[in-house]
Amino acid sequence: NAGVTQTPKFRVLKTGQSMTLLCAQDMNHEYMYWYRQDPGMGLRLIHYSVGEGTTAKGEVPDGYNVSRLKKQNFLLGLESAAPSQTSVYFCASSYAPRGNQPQHFGDGTRLSIL
Amino acid sequence: RKEVEQDPGPFNVPEGATVAFNCTYSNSASQSFFWYRQDCRKEPKLLMSVYSSGNEDGRFTAQLNRASQYISLLIRDSKLSDSATYLCVVNGIRGNQFYFGTGTSLTVIP
Repeated sequence: NAGVTQTPKFRVLKTGQSMTLLCAQDMNHEYMYWYRQDPGMGLRLIHYSVGEGTTAKGEVPDGYNVSRLKKQNFLLGLESAAPSQTSVYFCASSYAPRGNQPQHFGDGTRLSIL
Repeated sequence: RKEVEQDPGPFNVPEGATVAFNCTYSNSASQSFFWYRQDCRKEPKLLMSVYSSGNEDGRFTAQLNRASQYISLLIRDSKLSDSATYLCVVNGIRGNQFYFGTGTSLTVIP
């Protein structure tokens, strides 16, 4: 029962470095999401995808890029990391949100930018 | 105005108490509503969906009030293991996005 798997679990970067966070789901979900969670801010949507080959901007997309080349994978890229991107990143997936289809979350990536 | 607003608490209640949380949402066209539970430094986990007629799952009862645009969560007979942050989640205008409240912190005291 893997569900949603995020890698890596932790990472420390220097300002200006780049990296990619990987999210993989084995539930055949169409929709995938990337969120960041900061103290007092709740979860904020960065980008999402409604299917293979499609992506869309969420609430806070600046500084991030995403790709969904395969249905089961959703990648989040930081091209030039900034200290403001220090956060906990969660990936989630769901069936198409008709009715009450909930999101299922990975266990997060803790990212620190020095 | 935020899409979803919650009282952050904290709520500190004794074991066995009944506690209720409310959450208001701004988009009257929202169709999907959920309560999630998040333990410290863990991922959010679905507690229950919220249906129009209200629904119950053991000690937990969820209600939806569309006229006033709020949802509620009632926890009866609180257990120590109920200590967590409870997140209210509502879908957005296009239906593809979900908006999260900042969460309500609950601590159940022995």
